[in-house]
Amino acid sequence: AQKITQTQPGMFVQEKEAVTLDCTYDTSDPSYGLFWYKQPSSGEMIFLIYQGSYDQQNATEGRYSLNFQKARKSANLVISASQLGDSAMYFCAMREARGRDDKIIFGKGTRLHILP
Amino acid sequence: NAGVMQNPRHLVRRRGQEARLRCSPMKGHSHVYWYRQLPEEGLKFMVYLQKENIIDESGMPKERFSAEFPKEGPSILRIQQVVRGDSAAYFCASSLERYGAGANVLTFGAGSRLTVL
Repeated sequence: AQKITQTQPGMFVQEKEAVTLDCTYDTSDPSYGLFWYKQPSSGEMIFLIYQGSYDQQNATEGRYSLNFQKARKSANLVISASQLGDSAMYFCAMREARGRDDKIIFGKGTRLHILP
Repeated sequence: NAGVMQNPRHLVRRRGQEARLRCSPMKGHSHVYWYRQLPEEGLKFMVYLQKENIIDESGMPKERFSAEFPKEGPSILRIQQVVRGDSAAYFCASSLERYGAGANVLTFGAGSRLTVL
């Protein structure tokens, strides 16, 4: 069963508009972490934002915010005032740690295109 | 304060040869993870190591692939007798602690891109 689902393979957004990238997850573990990473065309993985399952408030990092809805098991990334440099692949990921098992599982990604 | 260093960045091998990919984690990080990314796909977990120990290799193929993280030196992902299907980007990531406050973020290297001819 897929643990991280990103339903938008690609998105086109006008520059300066806000963007919401969808992510739903599946876990029975009460303790987990959710991440978003950006992968530009150059290929590196850039950490954007983290949300812990027990965090009371939605995480924010500059223009990035994570809309965490625990009951719905969703962790959407919101990018405000999009810029051309935001064009990239975006991956949602979840980290579970049970006993010795500890890994981050990634979704398939959403390719975001910012239009001038 | 160097980040996660991977080398080589690009590696070309012929079928049947061996590929060795190296990863030096961030200073102070003792947890290393290897991921594989096929073109246009997300990252697939391969293996999680701590110094001198393989903790979780559930994502690694049983044959031809091995990983180590010795007491001294970088972590190495080794692929023996490479085949065309091994062509991919291999990412290494490290973290400070296994799991806990302030330690959850994996810092990724720039990746090593393996091409098998």
